[in-house]
Amino acid sequence: AQKITQTQPGMFVQEKEAVTLDCTYDTSDPSYGLFWYKQPSSGEMIFLIYQGSYDQQNATEGRYSLNFQKARKSANLVISASQLGDSAMYFCAMREGRGGNQFYFGTGTSLTVIP
Amino acid sequence: DTAVSQTPKYLVTQMGNDKSIKCEQNLGHDTMYWYKQDSKKFLKIMFSYNNKELIINETVPNRFSPKSPDKAHLNLHINSLELGDSAVYFCASGQTLGGYGYTFGSGTRLTVV
Repeated sequence: AQKITQTQPGMFVQEKEAVTLDCTYDTSDPSYGLFWYKQPSSGEMIFLIYQGSYDQQNATEGRYSLNFQKARKSANLVISASQLGDSAMYFCAMREGRGGNQFYFGTGTSLTVIP
Repeated sequence: DTAVSQTPKYLVTQMGNDKSIKCEQNLGHDTMYWYKQDSKKFLKIMFSYNNKELIINETVPNRFSPKSPDKAHLNLHINSLELGDSAVYFCASGQTLGGYGYTFGSGTRLTVV
């Protein structure tokens, strides 16, 4: 089974609107971390936000927030007030266990912000 | 002051050649990784080293050999390059304990012609 599933290959959003990028995960480990990365056209991988499995509150970082629904095993990324510079690939990832050495990545969602 | 630096950024080479990609991190992390990103943007782990010790070695042709002289460096050597090796290779580093993400290098775009 896929560890991380991103079902939206491509998304469009109007500038200044909010957008949600979906991510579901699969693990039997009670301790895990969930991450989102942004990859702009220049190619670098930029860490955006982290959610631990035991965190009680949803993570937020500026315009990014993570909608963590543990029972549904989902970790959707919400970008508020989209900007043209948000156009990029977005990857959801998971790390299992406190000392887990491997990240599992989803297949990514390509986000295009329309002016 | 780059946290994870990879060189070269671009590499174009002929089939059959041997090439190396270098990676260095100055974050004091104990674990380093090599990932391959294919043309469909899928990221697949290749190797992971913790304190110079190989801990993950995914199904990768043995033409690929990682070398970690110390915990701040993880180089990737590729022998007898094939067309299918064309991809972007990312080095990353992280800390084993603690719930934080990797820091990635800027990637090396390898093109085999």
